[in-house]
Amino acid sequence: QVQLQQSGPGLVEPSRTLSLTCAISGDSVSNDGVAWNWIRQSPSRGLEWLGRTYYRSEWYNDYAVSVESRITINPDTSKNQVSLQMTSVTPEDTAIYYCTRHRYGNTWYGMDVWGQGTTVTVSS
Amino acid sequence: DIVMTQSPDSLAVSLGERATINCKSSQSVLYGSNNKNYLAWYQQKPGQPPKLILYWASTRESGVPDRFSGSGSGTDFTLTISSLQAEDVAVYFCHQYYSIPQTFGQGTKVEI
Repeated sequence: QVQLQQSGPGLVEPSRTLSLTCAISGDSVSNDGVAWNWIRQSPSRGLEWLGRTYYRSEWYNDYAVSVESRITINPDTSKNQVSLQMTSVTPEDTAIYYCTRHRYGNTWYGMDVWGQGTTVTVSS
Repeated sequence: DIVMTQSPDSLAVSLGERATINCKSSQSVLYGSNNKNYLAWYQQKPGQPPKLILYWASTRESGVPDRFSGSGSGTDFTLTISSLQAEDVAVYFCHQYYSIPQTFGQGTKVEI
């Protein structure tokens, strides 16, 4: 079955860059029937969708306006993984970060696979 | 952005009784070209990621017990657990994927 294994540091200093990776097994990052998303969850913001990348003959990205200037989501076809980079982090970026798969088959389904979550704390 | 508002924030239900959670979107999430509501429901237990239980407002994900059902269209949706089991204690979220940014409800905590 499809599994998403997240990795990355749990502690990031303010103003630095947060970098997380999501290794995909049982599926391909280039599968044109899915999208790969990053979502975060915190007590103050709840579940917040950050952005996605997906392949439809070429690569596409969509980002939430609230973080658009600070984030990049990149597929890595050689490692079959997706990465999230967020620059200039502040304590408000403290959250549990999830990567997810969103299925598409002529229409969108739900987010059927979630990574285990990475707790990221922004603090000096 | 489409705002998703759930009610109630929490509810306590006896074992075997019905639990009903509502979700209202600030705009319609009905996709006209295929008549599908781009609305999903997730269950989250402590220390775990959310788990997909329903999509298209009423279609159960594979392996989800049939005591979970969804209804509604356009802007008003309901998740019903027909006969609450102990393992259903969790927080439930609705999620719209009709437009970017995708958004989630604030969650409803279901307790015994």
